[in-house]
Amino acid sequence: GAGVSQSPRYKVAKRGQDVALRCDPISGHVSLFWYQQALGQGPEFLTYFQNEAQLDKSGLPSDRFFAERPEGSVSTLKIQRTQQEDSAVYLCASSLSRQGLNTEAFFGQGTRLTVV
Amino acid sequence: DAKTTQPNSMESNEEEPVHLPCNHSTISGTDYIHWYRQLPSQGPEYVIHGLTSNVNNRMASLAIAEDRKSSTLILHRATLRDAAVYYCILSWGKLQFGAGTQVVVTP
Repeated sequence: GAGVSQSPRYKVAKRGQDVALRCDPISGHVSLFWYQQALGQGPEFLTYFQNEAQLDKSGLPSDRFFAERPEGSVSTLKIQRTQQEDSAVYLCASSLSRQGLNTEAFFGQGTRLTVV
Repeated sequence: DAKTTQPNSMESNEEEPVHLPCNHSTISGTDYIHWYRQLPSQGPEYVIHGLTSNVNNRMASLAIAEDRKSSTLILHRATLRDAAVYYCILSWGKLQFGAGTQVVVTP
């Protein structure tokens, strides 16, 4: 498909387990964003990539969260030693714009993470 | 970062216009005004954006105040499919979402 693809759609993890969430952006999109959305809240910014460079990681809540985009296309968000408060929907978005979002951003459907 | 203020919820009858207000009194000169909407169990979807001039597209219109301290998203004829949370966002580098406005459309 032509849209942003995220996998898995649903993930249940035991507390303390490590998880990896994948994002396939639209081909050729330079900018890639990760967001965290708790139930009933708006999405919260986590991190931003321009190609393979992680230019902003100010929203990552702790050092248990790590994101990478090694070849400037697919990105992975990794959460180590998951905690119950990590339960949320994780959204990925991509955009053609190099300078940020003065153009349209396309979002995936998200990965719903439940930590038990 | 500049913030936006939106009503928590709005109701509209089907096929009537919906005017969604947004205040952004601390907007800077480089901030674009973006609107996204999020249907249940979906990722956010782009609606429209603008800088200074009013904008129209197939989904909606965006009216921007002359001083840019407020804007209004206009859905010309609400349908049941327009029921969603609508977010007004300012950005130059990244989208910062608030709580948005829950739009309820009544048949």
